[in-house]
Amino acid sequence: QSALTQAASVSGSPGQSITISCTGTSSDVGGYNYVSWYQQYPGKAPKLMIYDVSSRPSGVSNRFSGSKSGNTASLTISGLQAEDEADYYCSSYTSSSTRVFGGGTKLTVL
Amino acid sequence: QLQMQESGPGLVKPSETLSLTCTVSSGSISSSGYCWGWIRQPPGKGLEWIASIYYTGTTYYNPSLKSRVTISVDKSKNQVSLKLSSVTAADTAVYYCARHRYYFDYWGQGTLVTVSS
Repeated sequence: QSALTQAASVSGSPGQSITISCTGTSSDVGGYNYVSWYQQYPGKAPKLMIYDVSSRPSGVSNRFSGSKSGNTASLTISGLQAEDEADYYCSSYTSSSTRVFGGGTKLTVL
Repeated sequence: QLQMQESGPGLVKPSETLSLTCTVSSGSISSSGYCWGWIRQPPGKGLEWIASIYYTGTTYYNPSLKSRVTISVDKSKNQVSLKLSSVTAADTAVYYCARHRYYFDYWGQGTLVTVSS
């Protein structure tokens, strides 16, 4: 299975909105509403931010939102804050009942 | 609050077998509806899902690693174990265990395993 495709980096200024895309195939992202997003700080374990495409776990800021169109899922962060600077990974369930991650996107808050 | 802790040797020689254990506390590994998985992250690189197991013993493997990986569960000890055989330097990574359904909601802190002679 191939990793999902994410841009290596994205940047934005405080207060702005940014979107991170995650592209897969009809066998993973496009075939199921089981895309999730994770935030990871250096040296720390990933943290679940979005699950089932657009649901937020308790305690995650509503500045984080998710969506999907076809084989591409997106994570949008609105009202960008310095603390949002981190790596972000998408993940999807696949038709083989396996899991696959994206390559990760480094978010820089300017 | 569920907690997960990985343990095992931090250094493994090339061609040998990497063995890790994940101990789950404040929760049961036999919880219906949840799988227990291993994910790794080479230094400076992204996340890679390795394998998962349901408490009943049903297993799921990353096709690219399947020939070298074994995942198992010990319900009496509330532990999940990972074995990766014939390791090379490319297997050097932080290894995480995590609970999941279609998403990974609880993660261990991770343990660094270095493959070197």
